[in-house]
Amino acid sequence: GESVGLHLPTLSVQEGDNSIINCAYSNSASDYFIWYKQESGKGPQFIIDIRSNMDKRQGQRVTVLLNKTVKHLSLQIAATQPGDSAVYFCAEIFSGGYNKLIFGAGTRLAVHP
Amino acid sequence: EPEVTQTPSHQVTQMGQEVILRCVPISNHLYFYWYRQILGQKVEFLVSFYNNEISEKSEIFDDQFSVERPDGSNFTLKIRSTKLEDSAMYFCASSATGGSGNTIYFGEGSWLTVV
Repeated sequence: GESVGLHLPTLSVQEGDNSIINCAYSNSASDYFIWYKQESGKGPQFIIDIRSNMDKRQGQRVTVLLNKTVKHLSLQIAATQPGDSAVYFCAEIFSGGYNKLIFGAGTRLAVHP
Repeated sequence: EPEVTQTPSHQVTQMGQEVILRCVPISNHLYFYWYRQILGQKVEFLVSFYNNEISEKSEIFDDQFSVERPDGSNFTLKIRSTKLEDSAMYFCASSATGGSGNTIYFGEGSWLTVV
């Protein structure tokens, strides 16, 4: 079926630690994946994306890993800061899906000082 | 940085009333979308719009919903007769082009409360 899900609903980390947020997807036809950050009362904010022909992509303090064999996506945040506290959603786009994003359930990241 | 803007930020309406949510997409973008998020749930796709017509719509987007680009800058979502279950945050989004790999930018949302 078409579904994107998350393993952990809440992740608590200490400031300065690295965070890893995981996501499972089920549609092998998806060819583009995005991580969004959503702060309370705000819209989803683009963080990083990756195409299905890649395994890894790095941004500033963030890295996305894609394992197509097990249909798994992860977001790594280095040196997590209090400003990183938010809900993180993975989303996928099916090949030819007119940019229709299918969102996962979300993981709340809580960063403690 | 260019952004998607939405109005109103919050609207309370009586059940059965019509509501229009407004959006100004990023100026050079050609693809427009509406998504919604019921409180505590994930973001759900409603509709995509390109070249003045709907490209794709979800099961949620029934006959009570319609979209329009009345001029060169605005993109609206109309709910004809609101129901209690329409209470949600509605996000407008836009992208420069279609197809995978094109970043979709979201607005801050319009919170709709139906009473």
